[in-house]
Parts: sequence; structure tokens; C-alpha cells
Amino acid sequence: GEDVEQSLFLSVREGDSSVINCTYTDSSSTYLYWYKQEPGAGLQLLTYIFSNMDMKQDQRLTVLLNKKDKHLSLRIADTQTGDSAIYFCAESMQGSSNTGKLIFGQGTTLQVKP
Amino acid sequence: DSGVTQTPKHLITATGQRVTLRCSPRSGDLSVYWYQQSLDQGLQFLIQYYNGEERAKGNILERFSAQQFPDLHSELNLSSLELGDSALYFCASSASYRAPFSGNTIYFGEGSWLTVV
Repeated sequence: GEDVEQSLFLSVREGDSSVINCTYTDSSSTYLYWYKQEPGAGLQLLTYIFSNMDMKQDQRLTVLLNKKDKHLSLRIADTQTGDSAIYFCAESMQGSSNTGKLIFGQGTTLQVKP
Repeated sequence: DSGVTQTPKHLITATGQRVTLRCSPRSGDLSVYWYQQSLDQGLQFLIQYYNGEERAKGNILERFSAQQFPDLHSELNLSSLELGDSALYFCASSASYRAPFSGNTIYFGEGSWLTVV
């Protein structure tokens, strides 16, 4: 089945690291994505990881993938107030239909306190 | 700016009415997607078009329909609107229909807010 789960809320202090977690159920997932949604705005692609990778780092962002446990995490180093947003985990699968359909989690609201 | 343009940004309409949401994909992108974001359902995939043809269908109601035109812009038509159709409707685009596997990514527009009263 297709299901992506995220915790709904995370609160951190400015300057701390944030870790947002995601679990997925479909073992055929090939790419996993992190999107950011700021209030009143659309979805911004932050980063993605291919399923044969364990880790990907992009400036302050680190993505860790544990394929055995179907667990994905996004670490934001030195979290800033501008990082306050909703973060969505999403997966894509190579099904017989070969589409670009993404399955999204419910989103994690990150609150950064000054 | 993702390069995906959606209009209108906000729309308020009454139950039973019909509306059309419009999307212009990023330059060069052939694939267009529609997603619905609501409080109770989260982000749900509705439908995908590639170069004018329907490629994949998700949780799209029969009251809803979409199409992609020869100039690659797309429209999502919502009819017999109900209060529960109030949501943020996103359009997204990518270069290919298999974008996630080819390394190309899916870029989202800012969405069209639909309020049904």
C-alpha cells in the first residue's frame, strides 16, 4: 500500500538542529522528497534522495535514508526563524503505470522560537 | 519562483457552481499534475497529463475533470461544487512523465485557493 507518515509538530530554538522524521510503507519507492510550504505559499522542493543512497547533504540540510526500516529524516542545522514552515515528505514509486505521481505525508509543522 | 503559474490565486463561489482553474507549466515541461490540499485529506494527487494525454488518475471525483491543451497549459474543471471541495489546488509540472526516475523533478505552483460557501 501507499502510505507516508510524519509527526505533526516540532518546536525548536533558533540555532538548534531540527530533525523531521518520516516513514513510508512502499518498498518500491525510488525517490523520496522533502518539500517546504511557507504560510500562504506553494510547495518548494528542498531536496530529494534516490533509494540506493543512505545520505545526502546540501548545505544546512542532511537527508538520511534507512531503507530497511523505511525511515527518512531531514536534519536542518542551525535552524533559523525563517525555517518555520510545514515540511512534507513525499515518495514516488516505479509502478506499472510509470507516472510521476507523488504520495505525500501529512506534513510536519516546524516552529522555531527565537 | 518555480515557473509554474496558476490562476486565479483565490476564488470564492457558491455550492452547486462550476469553476475552472488554470495552470501554465514551466517552460519546456510536458507533464502537468493536479493536487488537492485540504485540512482533512492532506495533499492528494488528482490527475496527471503528459503532452496532452491523460497519464495517471488519482482520487479525482467524477464532478472534476481536467485537460491539457496543445500549448501545454492545463485546466481543472470543478462542477456541482460542495462545501467539502474547499481546498488549495496545486498544479505542478515536470519535463517527463516519469520525472522522479529520470532525475528531473516536479515543481509546484503557488496554488489556487477555492472557498465554496
